[in-house]
Amino acid sequence: NAGVTQTPKFHILKTGQSMTLQCAQDMNHGYMSWYRQDPGMGLRLIYYSAAAGTTDKEVPNGYNVSRLNTEDFPLRLVSAAPSQTSVYLCASSSGRPDALTHFGNGTRLTVT
Amino acid sequence: GQNIDQPTEMTATEGAIVQINCTYQTSGFNGLFWYQQHAGEAPTFLSYNVLDGLEEKGRFSSFLSRSKGYSYLLLKELQMKDSASYLCAFMDSNYQLIWGAGTKLIIKP
Repeated sequence: NAGVTQTPKFHILKTGQSMTLQCAQDMNHGYMSWYRQDPGMGLRLIYYSAAAGTTDKEVPNGYNVSRLNTEDFPLRLVSAAPSQTSVYLCASSSGRPDALTHFGNGTRLTVT
Repeated sequence: GQNIDQPTEMTATEGAIVQINCTYQTSGFNGLFWYQQHAGEAPTFLSYNVLDGLEEKGRFSSFLSRSKGYSYLLLKELQMKDSASYLCAFMDSNYQLIWGAGTKLIIKP
């Protein structure tokens, strides 16, 4: 099983540019989420979707997401800023409290 | 409020035992997770505790005390491949995971 697949693995953006981080899972999980991971800090939730066709009500500034189907959960950086330099981790789970959260290998994004 | 804390870094010797502590504060609790993350890789699940006590799984054990807001991960017979970051996280009343910053474990021969 592929699990959670993220692309690209690395990317460099210039301030003001936009790009989409791709995430796909093949486990038929309803719950998908995006985190950012920065040195010395815990994983910080950016956005989540509880099921296909739904997304979290609050969109953090600078990001946009869509959940058109169960498998895919792309994260779009609308106008990149240096503060968005981070490792972005996509995750999926069945949504049950005791369910395992499966992570992708991450996208290391640098905004110059 | 909510918070979670774990040591930043620990060092241990191959073949020894190490205990990684995690303390948390929250008004709603739906379990505590431990994940292992090797550098440049995805975090992978190690354990889940929702009731007080010790859960043993091979060389790894995890303990939870809900009244004290405390958990630990115990690693026995350490191997070089155990060098990694260990992340603890609790699930709050909204079923969101709140993550600690991770403990980097360095194993020396």
